[in-house]
Amino acid sequence: AQSVTQLGSHVSVSEGALVLLRCNYSSSVPPYLFWYVQYPNQGLQLLLKYTSAATLVKGINGFEAEFKKSETSFHLTKPSAHMSDAAEYFCAVTLSGGYQKVTFGIGTKLQVIP
Amino acid sequence: KAGVTQTPRYLIKTRGQQVTLSCSPISGHRSVSWYQQTPGQGLQFLFEYFSETQRNKGNFPGRFSGRQFSNSRSEMNVSTLELGDSALYLCASSLSEPAYEQYFGPGTRLTVT
Repeated sequence: AQSVTQLGSHVSVSEGALVLLRCNYSSSVPPYLFWYVQYPNQGLQLLLKYTSAATLVKGINGFEAEFKKSETSFHLTKPSAHMSDAAEYFCAVTLSGGYQKVTFGIGTKLQVIP
Repeated sequence: KAGVTQTPRYLIKTRGQQVTLSCSPISGHRSVSWYQQTPGQGLQFLFEYFSETQRNKGNFPGRFSGRQFSNSRSEMNVSTLELGDSALYLCASSLSEPAYEQYFGPGTRLTVT
């Protein structure tokens, strides 16, 4: 079985500041990891994914995440927050090697303060 | 290419009624997954269909069911609605496996009164 834990259901940052959203995973086999973003009244959109290639993954809109096996973490970062980054972010995990369901975290709402 | 569409977008039902939600995946996508989204619970996996077969199922009661048609369109049904079923129901499609990338529809907002 797999699971993800997102630390902090709400995060506030100032415009131009570093964005850091935390995600820790639990998996019995090598995982695939994802970050999705949800804007109000919309579905989720894939930001980036880790599928056992490079441990530092770059995504859309300037976001990136680093897979750290020793820390079982997959934190999402962006050097400089924009007002348009205000949204809810979901970390997700699935197991590699087969048709597996995707398990999502409870989400982190990012507020960007001007 | 058209995205994932879900109908209806909003729905209000009364306790005890049943409801059917529809999802049309991106053309060529054969896998359709359904999720229930509620505040504080995140996304809870309901089930996943591939080529008309249910391939995975989450931990929901039997009141929640689904099916997939030969054109990959999918429906989910909830019978004997309860107040706790009020949620945003999201459908996601992928080429073959959810593991690789899922494309989400805007969701159906179900309110049970």
